[in-house]
Amino acid sequence: GAVVSQHPSRVICKSGTSVKIECRSLDFQATTMFWYRQFPKQSLMLMATSNEGSKATYEQGVEKDKFLINHASLTLSTLTVTSAHPEDSSFYICSARDSLSGVDSNQPQHFGDGTRLSIL
Amino acid sequence: QQPVQSPQAVILREGEDAVINCSSSKALYSVHWYRQKHGEAPVFLMILLKGGEQMRHEKISASFNEKKQQSSLYLTASQLSYSGTYFCGTVDTGNQFYFGTGTSLTVIP
Repeated sequence: GAVVSQHPSRVICKSGTSVKIECRSLDFQATTMFWYRQFPKQSLMLMATSNEGSKATYEQGVEKDKFLINHASLTLSTLTVTSAHPEDSSFYICSARDSLSGVDSNQPQHFGDGTRLSIL
Repeated sequence: QQPVQSPQAVILREGEDAVINCSSSKALYSVHWYRQKHGEAPVFLMILLKGGEQMRHEKISASFNEKKQQSSLYLTASQLSYSGTYFCGTVDTGNQFYFGTGTSLTVIP
């Protein structure tokens, strides 16, 4: 089955540090990847859609200068949380759809294992 | 825009049945269902397409009423492993995907 690898799985760092999270599709190509943020006992909230070779599309209220997204290849997207502060602490999850399997909306999203970010 | 799920939480005894509903305010092209265990990423269960058939994953099935913009997930003879939070995900006709509000399901022996 389709596998998405995300790491690191856990990051603890000081306020002001920038943190980079990687999301890789291991056995399929993904022209589009998605970045979500999830607070405890809440649903996943889409932060941005990462597009291979072009700029990411950010959801309303998400600061693009704060959450930098790069999608340099068909199998890798990265999210960098710049100058992280305690309020950025959360569970960040990426997902990807197989670009070659047909109509996008018919394809399931395959999720990475998530990154638990704790800013002290 | 976020689909609303009901109930918010449900507790079942092993072997009992449950229904989880997902309702959207927008016209839908497809509905996805996922299950998330605590501290883990969501796992895909099934997709229901507009005009498609009712789907099944083991003893879990789902239906999609396009006219009502609703989907229901049916869990039959629940097992302990069914515990988790269930999310629907809707794709509207503008190809936008949104996760639902979630339903916490706990199965007890």
